[in-house]
Amino acid sequence: GQQVMQIPQYQHVQEGEDFTTYCNSSTTLSNIQWYKQRPGGHPVFLIQLVKSGEVKKQKRLTFQFGEAKKNSSLHITATQTTDVGTYFCAVSPLNYGGSQGNLIFGKGTKLSVKP
Amino acid sequence: DSGVTQTPKHLITATGQRVTLRCSPRSGDLSVYWYQQSLDQGLQFLIQYYNGEERAKGNILERFSAQQFPDLHSELNLSSLELGDSALYFCASTPSWDRGFNEQFFGPGTRLTVL
Repeated sequence: GQQVMQIPQYQHVQEGEDFTTYCNSSTTLSNIQWYKQRPGGHPVFLIQLVKSGEVKKQKRLTFQFGEAKKNSSLHITATQTTDVGTYFCAVSPLNYGGSQGNLIFGKGTKLSVKP
Repeated sequence: DSGVTQTPKHLITATGQRVTLRCSPRSGDLSVYWYQQSLDQGLQFLIQYYNGEERAKGNILERFSAQQFPDLHSELNLSSLELGDSALYFCASTPSWDRGFNEQFFGPGTRLTVL
């Protein structure tokens, strides 16, 4: 079915360690979005990737879109307690032949940071 | 603050009951999306409205219905509630029917507990 696989499901790190979450699709994607949801909060848009091999940085966060546009990653360097939350990738159903305007979300990676 | 408002914040009700969740999109946004977030299913798309008309349906049960009013606010009606309907319900909005190529702005959510 229309699905984007996201791993790992959970990640526990010591503050200062790096963190990476991965999303994989069986089909080529036209774009991929990343969202962050803090505990008790709502998803907040982080970034959108469109081009093959694209790399975008936001301070300590690095987002990559694979050359084949079938996978993407979010890497956080030197995690801080403020990075705690669940990180989701999200794609359009158009990538799977759908026509809706909604997003299909990965299951998310829940990051906990030990100070 | 995303500019999307949802009421109520919390809702506790009994099985078999009916509830209405309300969402006001960001000023000027025409598209409203409803998502359900549960622990085991992640973020699931329910339904989308664009400028008053239903545009897309996802995994929405027949017991659930929604509508978007002329002032663009939307209501999600959940009836014959079951224990499994307990979840966070998010509303999101976008300026247009962008087919998943623009960021979605999420409201704070309504936490529904069915006892």
